[in-house]
Amino acid sequence: DIVMTQTPLFSPVTLGQPASISCRSSQSLVHSDGNTFLSWLQQRPGQPPRLLIYKISNRFSGVPDRFSGSGAGTDFTLKISRVEAEDVGVYYCMQATQFPRTFGQGTKLEIK
Amino acid sequence: EVQLVESGGGLVEPGRSLRLSCTASGITFGDDAVSWFRQAPGKGLEWISFIRSKAFGGTTEYAASVKGRFTISRDDSQSIAYLQMNGLNTEDTAVYYCTRADYGYSHWGQGTLVTVSS
Repeated sequence: DIVMTQTPLFSPVTLGQPASISCRSSQSLVHSDGNTFLSWLQQRPGQPPRLLIYKISNRFSGVPDRFSGSGAGTDFTLKISRVEAEDVGVYYCMQATQFPRTFGQGTKLEIK
Repeated sequence: EVQLVESGGGLVEPGRSLRLSCTASGITFGDDAVSWFRQAPGKGLEWISFIRSKAFGGTTEYAASVKGRFTISRDDSQSIAYLQMNGLNTEDTAVYYCTRADYGYSHWGQGTLVTVSS
């Protein structure tokens, strides 16, 4: 199984300041079709997960442009350019290149 | 608007069975793969099952933790996916989510809570 490792696990951020979450996979996430199926999901308190970013860097419909994704191979990053109060929650990276689908442990973002 | 609605959760005794349903709207359900995930109380997300569209054979995948106990299926005529769960144990207690299993797992339901307890 592909192991996904996120850092940090806890991120206290000041409103309006940037935040960054890293995700490393135990093996390359490049699929045989050339795509890299690395997604970022946000889970607000009491809510289901919500897709933010798919295939490393593509923002899903309705996701604010302060969210961006980057990376390649085994190292990926989610950045929030200016954190807003509604961004509080847990962020997960997920790989869908191989079965079983696997997640990072989650990064809890809170406002300082 | 795409909607996925899970149902069928509840309290069940260890060893018993339960069947979850996922009703989709706003999409051409038969064109999409579907996945089930779960989240134990206070824990992270766990993928548990996947079913391809009929165009890709309707074949299935399972996590090791549920293989042989859980069965995923679909009824495209009613836009419903099912998760038949047999031999439930306390470790299966979780909120169960169904998702549209496309390029990014773009749409998630609100989830249904399954509690396994005597």
